[in-house]
Amino acid sequence: DVKVTQSSRYLVKRTGEKVFLECVQDMDHENMFWYRQDPGLGLRLIYFSYDVKMKEKGDIPEGYSVSREKKERFSLILESASTNQTSMYLCASSLPGQFANTGELFFGEGSRLTVL
Amino acid sequence: DQQVKQNSPSLSVQEGRISILNCDYTNSMFDYFLWYKKYPAEGPTFLISISSIKDKNEDGRFTVFLNKSAKHLSLHIVPSQPGDSAVYFCAARKYGNKLVFGAGTILRVKS
Repeated sequence: DVKVTQSSRYLVKRTGEKVFLECVQDMDHENMFWYRQDPGLGLRLIYFSYDVKMKEKGDIPEGYSVSREKKERFSLILESASTNQTSMYLCASSLPGQFANTGELFFGEGSRLTVL
Repeated sequence: DQQVKQNSPSLSVQEGRISILNCDYTNSMFDYFLWYKKYPAEGPTFLISISSIKDKNEDGRFTVFLNKSAKHLSLHIVPSQPGDSAVYFCAARKYGNKLVFGAGTILRVKS
């Protein structure tokens, strides 16, 4: 079974703090994604990565950056957290071929971030 | 600009009956459509998908219908079970590697 692990399930941070959200997958997937989920807005893509050291902006990249130094790990960074970044953050991964055939992503359990 | 819309925030259905979840989209360039299911405190899991060249796909109790002329997608669950109670997200794939998700519909199946 594919396992996507997000290191922190719940975080509480203060405005202006730097926040790191870590995601690790164990199935050698090339593609990794970061989404945020908000009520009434569904899941919105922040950043994605096709391979190590490669990244592309999603639909809402402002205020975020990412790092992909190893294939299995994709980190989301909030350089200076703000209250409007309070949200559920979801990491996902996929194989390019599988995604091309079915569009399937494998998600982690999510990290609920509260910024005070 | 929401390209994928789920206009019903919630749906309540009696156990054993049919659940119909609806989704509308605006971008005719989407080539694949998917449904994901999400339980509280868990990540979404893939449920079923359909290519834009088809109009129906079945997997057990789950059937997805695609009406391209109306830009409308629906998920039918027959018969509905209490364990189906979850949030259902419709998603559409753009060329490349991006999925666009709807806002989700909360399904409650009453026993």
